Amino acid sequence: EVQLVQSGAEVKKPGESLKISCQASGYRFSRYWIGWVRQTPGKSLEWMGIIYPGDSDRRYSPSFQGQVFISADTSINTVYLQWSSLEASDTAMYYCVRIINFNSGTNTGATFDPWGQGTPVTVVS
Amino acid sequence: DNQVTQSPSSLSASVGDRVTITCRTSQYTDIYVNWYQQRPGKAPNLLIYGGTTLQSGVPSRFSGTATGTEFTLTISSLQPADFATYYCQQSYRNRLTFGGGTKLEIK
Repeated sequence: EVQLVQSGAEVKKPGESLKISCQASGYRFSRYWIGWVRQTPGKSLEWMGIIYPGDSDRRYSPSFQGQVFISADTSINTVYLQWSSLEASDTAMYYCVRIINFNSGTNTGATFDPWGQGTPVTVVS
Repeated sequence: DNQVTQSPSSLSASVGDRVTITCRTSQYTDIYVNWYQQRPGKAPNLLIYGGTTLQSGVPSRFSGTATGTEFTLTISSLQPADFATYYCQQSYRNRLTFGGGTKLEIK
């Protein structure tokens, strides 16, 4: 069974850094794109970015380019999402997602399955 | 433009009803659309991919259609577990965009 298990809830102050994680199991980690989706309270979902652990190729949503950094450690099948300086507007639920059906040549077909359980991040002064 | 317009934003229905949710993408064609269900307090779950293909394990009362830039999700006979929020998601070039969601509530 494919599973994505995320790190626990975080409460931080504006300006602080943060790195959250997601450990994958049940499939060949280096062979699938994996990434992050944000959900703000009462709002819809936003794709943030994805990484191919096999060669660390990254694709970011224009909305999040330069705001976050995604990395992966193939030795422990874990993907990370990090911020260097949090803002109150980063308060949200963050989901780790595996990408299936993705044609990286044409950038089409990306399907998110499965999803991690979510990591709530609260940024408050 | 990478917008996905999902309608309605909310819907009240009864157990046994047939409901349809629609997503309209931009003028581009060859767009790949997926549908997800999110129950309260849970992560989203893939229902349909590629506009029409049912994900393994998803009940057959869920179905999807794709016609040009219009995509629909239909639930043929609502069950209590189906009252949730539904999202469409498009994948086109580097645009992975979600619709605004449809909250399906019990009438």
